[in-house]
Amino acid sequence: DAGVTQSPTHLIKTRGQHVTLRCSPISGHKSVSWYQQVLGQGPQFIFQYYEKEERGRGNFPDRFSARQFPNYSSELNVNALLLGDSALYLCASSLLGTSGRGSVETQYFGPGTRLLVL
Amino acid sequence: ELKVEQNPLFLSMQEGKNYTIYCNYSTTSDRLYWYRQDPGKSLESLFVLLSNGAVKQEGRLMASLDTKARLSTLHITAAVHDLSATYFCAGPHNAGNMLTFGGGTRLMVKP
Repeated sequence: DAGVTQSPTHLIKTRGQHVTLRCSPISGHKSVSWYQQVLGQGPQFIFQYYEKEERGRGNFPDRFSARQFPNYSSELNVNALLLGDSALYLCASSLLGTSGRGSVETQYFGPGTRLLVL
Repeated sequence: ELKVEQNPLFLSMQEGKNYTIYCNYSTTSDRLYWYRQDPGKSLESLFVLLSNGAVKQEGRLMASLDTKARLSTLHITAAVHDLSATYFCAGPHNAGNMLTFGGGTRLMVKP
């Protein structure tokens, strides 16, 4: 079975540009989460979507936005890129996502998109 | 908001030795996750610890959870080179399974 897939694998942009990153979850998984991992640090939570609705948002500026499509795939958009946006962007999928306290589902991570902003 | 701290940040050890990675978290949490990341790769799930006193073992790795002390440990027994990687612990960002990660422990096992 295919795991979480992400595209593109690598991307180079310049400051001020816009970028769209894509993620396809594991078949049957309805929840997608996005994380940013700056080199040498742990991943930071950006968004979670379940059934096309935003279920959670991390501490990121409004330049970051996302959406989930009827087939459960997702896009992460970043506007007005800054040098500090250079990072590995990870997508993770799980079956249900936020389902109240006690949801213990493991998230399965994709290979990531490495974004370099010059 | 949950904060997660790991130590040490970097660990160099000889093959065959034992060591423990510590994960402290700031607020009450009923579960804790451990992930492994190889250089340039994504995150691989290792353990989900769901209750106080939970212990899970896989090969040379054993993880435990003490919710009262807000502490999880990842113990490495008789390390081998293949265990060289960065290990992350993570707790729930809020209700649900969004995650707050620690800074990671980079483990190097030398022959």
